[in-house]
Amino acid sequence: TQLLEQSPQFLSIQEGENLTVYCNSSSVFSSLQWYRQEPGEGPVLLVTVVTGGEVKKLKRLTFQFGDARKDSSLHITAAQPGDTGLYLCAGALWGNKLVFGAGTILRVKS
Amino acid sequence: EPEVTQTPSHQVTQMGQEVILRCVPISNHLYFYWYRQILGQKVEFLVSFYNNEISEKSEIFDDQFSVERPDGSNFTLKIRSTKLEDSAMYFCASATVYGGELFFGEGSRLTVL
Repeated sequence: TQLLEQSPQFLSIQEGENLTVYCNSSSVFSSLQWYRQEPGEGPVLLVTVVTGGEVKKLKRLTFQFGDARKDSSLHITAAQPGDTGLYLCAGALWGNKLVFGAGTILRVKS
Repeated sequence: EPEVTQTPSHQVTQMGQEVILRCVPISNHLYFYWYRQILGQKVEFLVSFYNNEISEKSEIFDDQFSVERPDGSNFTLKIRSTKLEDSAMYFCASATVYGGELFFGEGSRLTVL
């Protein structure tokens, strides 16, 4: 059973397009983190959202935590080829353990 | 910038052999973790460690696995008798506070033949 459902699994878009990645669960998380992972490397933290309804912006990336702390989204505006990579959401269960979604492979074509 | 370092970056071993993967967490961090990622699959939690003991482990972390912090700086993952299905990328991570952000190492790729 997938604790965190991440969608879509794969996304291929043209440079300049917008996109949204979703992360959904029936569990409540104390916080939710978004990571980006390059091939052969460890995940690198992009952002942590803690409060239900919280919205954080990181340049062209907007992260939102659902009001009930069960879901989150990552929206990228005007995607660039440099945004290409694997995006992972990870929910922190009460106890400091992170559970990861399966990841979204994003490919931005120039 | 402080970082989590892992060694070796890649290890190839025969099935049934013991393997030790080493990690040096960020020095002021108190919480330590091992995760693994089988090729093409999601990152999976193995174990968390705090105050010199395991605080939580997953069903993957069976009797063949053990962790140790032998000298206050290193954090090791031992697999006693490796199986083919242990082939994966193993990531060490550390955090400063309970529920805080995890900082990951670059991973150790284990290939079991």
